[in-house]
Formats: sequence, structure tokens, C-alpha cells
Amino acid sequence: DAMVIQNPRYQVTQFGKPVTLSCSQTLNHNVMYWYQQKSSQAPKLLFHYYDKDFNNEADTPDNFQSRRPNTSFCFLDIRSPGLGDAAMYLCATSRPGTDTQYFGPGTRLTVL
Amino acid sequence: SQKIEQNSEALNIQEGKTATLTCNYTNYSPAYLQWYRQDPGRGPVFLLLIRENEKEKRKERLKVTFDTTLKQSLFHITASQPADSATYLCAYSGSARQLTFGSGTQLTVLP
Repeated sequence: DAMVIQNPRYQVTQFGKPVTLSCSQTLNHNVMYWYQQKSSQAPKLLFHYYDKDFNNEADTPDNFQSRRPNTSFCFLDIRSPGLGDAAMYLCATSRPGTDTQYFGPGTRLTVL
Repeated sequence: SQKIEQNSEALNIQEGKTATLTCNYTNYSPAYLQWYRQDPGRGPVFLLLIRENEKEKRKERLKVTFDTTLKQSLFHITASQPADSATYLCAYSGSARQLTFGSGTQLTVLP
């Protein structure tokens, strides 16, 4: 089945230690998104790619970076995680012309 | 700026009853609203989309309405089941290709 896959599902890192989360998709969608979601809150958009065109949200901290080496893969790099970065990170995709999004299962990040 | 509000954080109902969840927006009518289901520790799953010019949309036991006068969308689950227990998110499309989500309503269907 076509899907959005996130690895790992659970990630534990230490304060200040860089971490990379990965997302892959078999839907062949042009657009990929990264969201941060904290407990009982709405998913918050960090950035998205339209093909290779990167779009950063104005309030996304510089600590968060992203890479999209090809259509199928997208990475979220957190350069120096702080305790406040502990959250669920969601990857999503969509096709041009529709805003319906297809989400992966998420990666739960714990910062010690 | 546009805000989207789901004014019930939690809703408990008895199995077999109809659950009704509310989503309000503050300013202009979005072109469409979407509803997603999110289970604990999982990503949201798309359920329904309703356009500004549609009054109602149905899918199996689900029904969504869009009232531009009240600036509100209602999401109904008829004949609710314990398996319907989840958090339901509404979202609107603001800038192109982006969705803004509400914080969700956690629905619990009691057996």
C-alpha cells in the first residue's frame, strides 16, 4: 500500500545532541511537510517542500533544518535539541491542487 | 488573522448516540474545511472535506456541515461506537498548500 513512513518511531536524545528524523513516501506526492505536535495541541507546521522548493514558516526556530534529497525522502534535523523540543514530529504529503494531507505515524522525540 | 477553534476539548457520549463536534473560524470563510481523526501516538487521518458552497457532506456514518453565516462547521458521527473514540481535528487551508489545524476535540464513546 502507498504510504508515508517515519523512522524511528521513538527517538531519545540528550540536550544539545543533534538528531535527525526521517520520512519516506511511496505516494509520489510533490509536497512534503514537517509538523511539530505537543500534547493536546494542534500540529504546528515547521516547513514544507514543493518538489525541491523549500518553504520555511516564519516562526520556525533556526535550530530546525530540513533536507529533501529526492521526491521520496525528507529529513528533519534538529541541531541542538532543547527540552522544549520534546514533541511528536509528523511528516505529511499532498498532491498539487489538493490540500488533503497524508500523514505518517510520527516520531516521538524525548530530550533528556 | 484567521483563527480556528474547536471549543470542546473533550466530549463523552454513550454508544449508539450521535456525537456532534464543533469547529469555528473567526474571519473570512475558508474555501473549504477538512476533518481528520487522530488516534493516540499516531498521525492524523483524513476523513472529509467540505467546500464553502456545500452545505453538507456525508460518508457512511459521518456527516459534516458548513455554515458560513455562523462561521462554523459541525461534524457528526451517528450510531457512535467505542471504536470511534479518538481526537478529531478540523483544518482550513490558508496559504496555498498549507493547512491550519484546530487543537482538536477528544471524543470518548462509552459502551
